[in-house]
Amino acid sequence: GAGVSQSPSNKVTEKGKDVELRCDPISGHTALYWYRQSLGQGLEFLIYFQGNSAPDKSGLPSDRFSAERTGGSVSTLTIQRTQQEDSAVYLCASSLGSGLAENEQFFGPGTRLTVL
Amino acid sequence: KQEVTQIPAALSVPEGENLVLNCSFTDSAIYNLQWFRQDPGKGLTSLLLIQSSQREQTSGRLNASLDKSSGRSTLYIAASQPGDSATYLCALLGAGGFQKLVFGTGTRLLVSP
Repeated sequence: GAGVSQSPSNKVTEKGKDVELRCDPISGHTALYWYRQSLGQGLEFLIYFQGNSAPDKSGLPSDRFSAERTGGSVSTLTIQRTQQEDSAVYLCASSLGSGLAENEQFFGPGTRLTVL
Repeated sequence: KQEVTQIPAALSVPEGENLVLNCSFTDSAIYNLQWFRQDPGKGLTSLLLIQSSQREQTSGRLNASLDKSSGRSTLYIAASQPGDSATYLCALLGAGGFQKLVFGTGTRLLVSP
């Protein structure tokens, strides 16, 4: 079956512009995660959605970052007023659920964001 | 705060060698540990997942072990091949209801023909 897909694969934007990154999780997966991979910081957690529960936003680095998950499936990560330090690869993952036998995370190919 | 370290940071071996990658963590309260590989410019591919109650998992030429008491996991790769060249990452899912993976620093592996 299809894995996690993300779009666009690459995005180049100018400082100060807003960007939207999209993630399509594996069909039937109720949990969705966003991570960021940057050169100096490694891989870091951003936000987690589980079903209809309130998302865990504890990893979002500033209020310029927000994410939505519509209909329990597709998610959009929005970065407003982009800064050069936002340049990174943004990775999305999904898992069947959050229970002990369901929490293996499967990752998409990522979106490489470059802020000029 | 969970800290995850991987040693070595880089490893270069000739084809056919058996090798071990190490992952150490500071907080033993974990749900599971996953090993991933990442090819340049690509996302992460899940290799093995070990639940906290398990001690090892095997898939083909890969074997991962987990020792929570000592805060260590190892990934053993048998009979390495050039196609195994990639960056290998370990990641832990902490107990306490926090559904976020904490990633290690990675080991960059190069297997030469």
